[in-house]
Amino acid sequence: AQKVTQAQTEISVVEKEDVTLDCVYETRDTTYYLFWYKQPPSGELVFLIRRNSFDEQNEISGRYSWNFQKSTSSFNFTITASQVVDSAVYFCALSESIQGAQKLVFGQGTRLTINP
Amino acid sequence: SQTIHQWPATLVQPVGSPLSLECTVEGTSNPNLYWYRQAAGRGLQLLFYSVGIGQISSEVPQNLSASRPQDRQFILSSKKLLLSDSGFYLCACPNRAENEQYFGPGTRLTVT
Repeated sequence: AQKVTQAQTEISVVEKEDVTLDCVYETRDTTYYLFWYKQPPSGELVFLIRRNSFDEQNEISGRYSWNFQKSTSSFNFTITASQVVDSAVYFCALSESIQGAQKLVFGQGTRLTINP
Repeated sequence: SQTIHQWPATLVQPVGSPLSLECTVEGTSNPNLYWYRQAAGRGLQLLFYSVGIGQISSEVPQNLSASRPQDRQFILSSKKLLLSDSGFYLCACPNRAENEQYFGPGTRLTVT
């Protein structure tokens, strides 16, 4: 079965430090998508990135970067020079095809706290 | 891009009472729609999905049901709430390519 593991339940760092959130996944599918979402205290899930399974190029967006390693089934997320506004729960997710639809299988989330 | 509305934003209901949560989508037509639940301290779990009007698929056995009376309306219901139904309910809708899912603002349900 599809599974996503975010082993880090909580991370706390001081502002301006770099921080990496780990994500490991299991899937039977040969084609799939991986995602990261941010959940701020308001609760809404904010889409951050989608990665296609056959595109292993790392991606950078401002202070955010993502490292996709198919060989180790990992899709890690790094925030460089963290800021207090980055404090949130971050979820990694994996797509699974289900009868004409796409289900998202989520990890348990990592609560990131950036201290001033 | 689509906009997803959910209401109510918060709800406190006693055990045994009925429930109706609504999700509507703007800016798209004939979308797949999804209901997820986030229980306290846990990740999100898919409850129901719908590929069209009147078509509902359930992912997990539970006390809840879903309906899709219109193309862009998705309703989550219960006849009698249980304490275990408490949680944060999120409606989701994908983009046209069905390779990204976007979430509504959510409904926080507390069953007392």
